[in-house]
Amino acid sequence: QVQLQESGPGLVRPSETLSLTCTVSGGSISSLYWSWIRQSPEKGLEWIGYMFDSGTTNYNPSLKSRVTISGDTSKNQVSLKLKSLTAADTAVYYCARMSRFETTMVVDYWGQGTLVTVSS
Amino acid sequence: DIQMTQSPSSLSASVGDSVTITCRSSQSIFTYLNWYQQKPGEAPKLLIYGTTSLQTGVPSRFSGSGSGTDFTLTISSLQPDDFATYFCQQSYSTPPYTFGQGTKLEIK
Repeated sequence: QVQLQESGPGLVRPSETLSLTCTVSGGSISSLYWSWIRQSPEKGLEWIGYMFDSGTTNYNPSLKSRVTISGDTSKNQVSLKLKSLTAADTAVYYCARMSRFETTMVVDYWGQGTLVTVSS
Repeated sequence: DIQMTQSPSSLSASVGDSVTITCRSSQSIFTYLNWYQQKPGEAPKLLIYGTTSLQTGVPSRFSGSGSGTDFTLTISSLQPDDFATYFCQQSYSTPPYTFGQGTKLEIK
């Protein structure tokens, strides 16, 4: 059974950089697609990006200039960095695994989510 | 980006009812459409992928249909556990994979 657990600060100041870590158990980050998705009342569910092949990334164009997703295979962890934060980045951040089911990409495992508030 | 629009935004129904939720995409996504269920305080859960295929363990009262730009999720004979928020998500072509805004299904 794959399990994902997000960790990181719950409060970050405007203009700073958010750093979140996702620890994966029951599966290797060396295969499949490891994603970050966020959810807020204002924007709903927003796909941030994913990493696959332990380093190749694909980001949402709306966030691309501010986002970095990376992996540490020795710890089986995936990390998210989001810089130049504003209040609009306040959201629940989910770590998630994406897989190809037949011909379609799905999110088949999610972490429990972590609330990040951007405020001074 | 492909925009996904769900209707209605909220819906009230009773146990035993049948309900249909609609999802429309801003361009054709063929059948690259998935549905998720989310309960308060929890992460979304995959229900249906590829428009019509049920994820393992999902009850058969859930069904999906559609193609191109118009899709539906139908829940027949609603059970108490089905009252939740439902999201559609497109996975056509390259990212970003966009979600609908959600439909909250409440008990009447």
